[in-house]
Amino acid sequence: GNSVTQMEGPVTLSEEAFLTINCTYTATGYPSLFWYVQYPGEGLQLLLKATKADDKGSNKGFEATYRKETTSFHLEKGSVQVSDSAVYFCALNTGTASKLTFGTGTRLQVTL
Amino acid sequence: GAGVSQSPSNKVTEKGKDVELRCDPISGHTALYWYRQSLGQGLEFLIYFQGNSAPDKSGLPSDRFSAERTGGSVSTLTIQRTQQEDSAVYLCASSLAAAGNTIYFGEGSWLTVV
Repeated sequence: GNSVTQMEGPVTLSEEAFLTINCTYTATGYPSLFWYVQYPGEGLQLLLKATKADDKGSNKGFEATYRKETTSFHLEKGSVQVSDSAVYFCALNTGTASKLTFGTGTRLQVTL
Repeated sequence: GAGVSQSPSNKVTEKGKDVELRCDPISGHTALYWYRQSLGQGLEFLIYFQGNSAPDKSGLPSDRFSAERTGGSVSTLTIQRTQQEDSAVYLCASSLAAAGNTIYFGEGSWLTVV
């Protein structure tokens, strides 16, 4: 079956620090990979996605590269801001069934 | 509306009562999903509707949970004889069919069973 493993949180960083949130997956077939973000008091929003190996998804300064050889989709940002404080979820779907399998989420707290 | 709409946004109910949660997906989206997000837990898949196909109910935690989708659009998630462990945020989402399409989430219905 499909599964997603994310690094445990919370992650606490100072503003302008470099961010990495690790995500690895197990999937049948060729999954599409996603990062969703949930800001405090808000719903889940798609942050970025990649649909095939070696694709790089990017948005709002965040990037993640689909690495088939390591079954990973790590989220990175070069310089975080306080406004990036949120919970980040890695997810995948496969084949014709588009339902998402999520990781447990990683809470990011950015301080001044 | 432009996004996935859910109602109610908050519901407090007594243990043992039935509740209904409504989801209005984005117009034209054939796929509709229900997820549950419990405090301190990840996102748990409940049920998935795709067009006229039989729904994937593999995530429903017990027979107290059911969902229907009328006319291929609006969906209702029903929880019978609610228990305290049912307290969670229930998220609805919709998408165009097939993997790789973006799945859009509503803001959720926060259920508290007292």
